Amino acid sequence: TQLLEQSPQFLSIQEGENLTVYCNSSSVFSSLQWYRQEPGEGPVLLVTVVTGGEVKKLKRLTFQFGDARKDSSLHITAAQPGDTGLYLCAGALWGETYKYIFGTGTRLKVLA
Amino acid sequence: NAGVTQTPKFQVLKTGQSMTLQCAQDMNHEYMSWYRQDPGMGLRLIHYSVGAGITDQGEVPNGYNVSRSTTEDFPLRLLSAAPSQTSVYFCASRRKPNQPQHFGDGTRLSIL
Repeated sequence: TQLLEQSPQFLSIQEGENLTVYCNSSSVFSSLQWYRQEPGEGPVLLVTVVTGGEVKKLKRLTFQFGDARKDSSLHITAAQPGDTGLYLCAGALWGETYKYIFGTGTRLKVLA
Repeated sequence: NAGVTQTPKFQVLKTGQSMTLQCAQDMNHEYMSWYRQDPGMGLRLIHYSVGAGITDQGEVPNGYNVSRSTTEDFPLRLLSAAPSQTSVYFCASRRKPNQPQHFGDGTRLSIL
């Protein structure tokens, strides 16, 4: 059973387009993180959100944590080829902060 | 500034063989985790540790053992390798529960 479902699984867009990646669950999380992974490397943290309804911006990336702490989204504005990679969400279940559960991943390709 | 170091980077085993995947971190992090990454599955938690001498099971612990005799090292042992354990294995560490996880570059393991 996958606790965290990401959508879409694959996304191929043209440079300059906007996109949104979703991370959904029926479970409540105390915090949620977004990572980006390049081929042959480990995931690298982009952001951590800890408060329901929280919105964080990182240049062209906007992250939102759902009010009920069950879902999150990542929005990229004016995508660039350098944004290409595997995007992963990871959540710490409420009361189980010692372990993070990862989502299924979204593979993004931005074409020049 | 090594961070999280995993060895080996690649390994091929025959079914039934045993081996140990090494993970070492030099950041004095208390929390360490092992994940496996398979296509379309994101990362799944195998085992984790909240400090020296303390380990616990994650989502997919069967067929794997861990120990944490020091803060720095967290080896993962495959007792009797099976083809289903073919995967890319990642070790991660962090200072506190909600803080960023630092990942190694992974061990790509093939079981024939």
